[in-house]
Amino acid sequence: QKEVEQNSGPLSVPEGAIASLNCTYSDRGSQSFFWYRQYSGKSPELIMSIYSNGDKEDGRFTAQLNKASQYVSLLIRDSQPSDSATYLCAVITSGTYKYIFGTGTRLKVLA
Amino acid sequence: DTEVTQTPKHLVMGMTNKKSLKCEQHMGHRAMYWYKQKAKKPPELMFVYSYEKLSINESVPSRFSPECPNSSLLNLHLHALQPEDSALYLCASSQEQGDDYNEQFFGPGTRLTVL
Repeated sequence: QKEVEQNSGPLSVPEGAIASLNCTYSDRGSQSFFWYRQYSGKSPELIMSIYSNGDKEDGRFTAQLNKASQYVSLLIRDSQPSDSATYLCAVITSGTYKYIFGTGTRLKVLA
Repeated sequence: DTEVTQTPKHLVMGMTNKKSLKCEQHMGHRAMYWYKQKAKKPPELMFVYSYEKLSINESVPSRFSPECPNSSLLNLHLHALQPEDSALYLCASSQEQGDDYNEQFFGPGTRLTVL
């Protein structure tokens, strides 16, 4: 069973701080990793995709990938209350090419 | 146009009803997906269509019947559902299915309640 694991939270950070969200995966053959943001009652919205080891930055968001350690993380700089949401990590499984989602981490940014 | 649309937004149905969920994308994507999401859980894959052909069925009960009339449209026909089928039903699309690097884009979902 290929798995993607996230801490369910809630992760509480003060406004303006850096929020760090982590995800580990079991399928060593996975090559593609995605972060989605989901507000309560809404659908997932793609924030970042990352395919190579290292960092990828997009505005206030930085995704980090370490395939040797099988983890991917998302950093949110200058966190805002509007960032309060559930963040889902998704991994494309090798062979079947299906998305496997983690259970999500609920982030609360305190004003 | 980078949107995936779904109708209806909300649906309430009895266990003997027949209804359909609709999804449309105009991004030229060749893969479309149905997911089911229960509260506080991640999306669960139900079906995948690739080039209008069903490529993955995740052992979904036959009371759910997908249909892909053309490359832009995806339907989910519902019949004789159970209360435990109440959930948010999400449609997604991606450029392709069956390789890496496929970003999936989700529609707003249909909130289904089965009475």
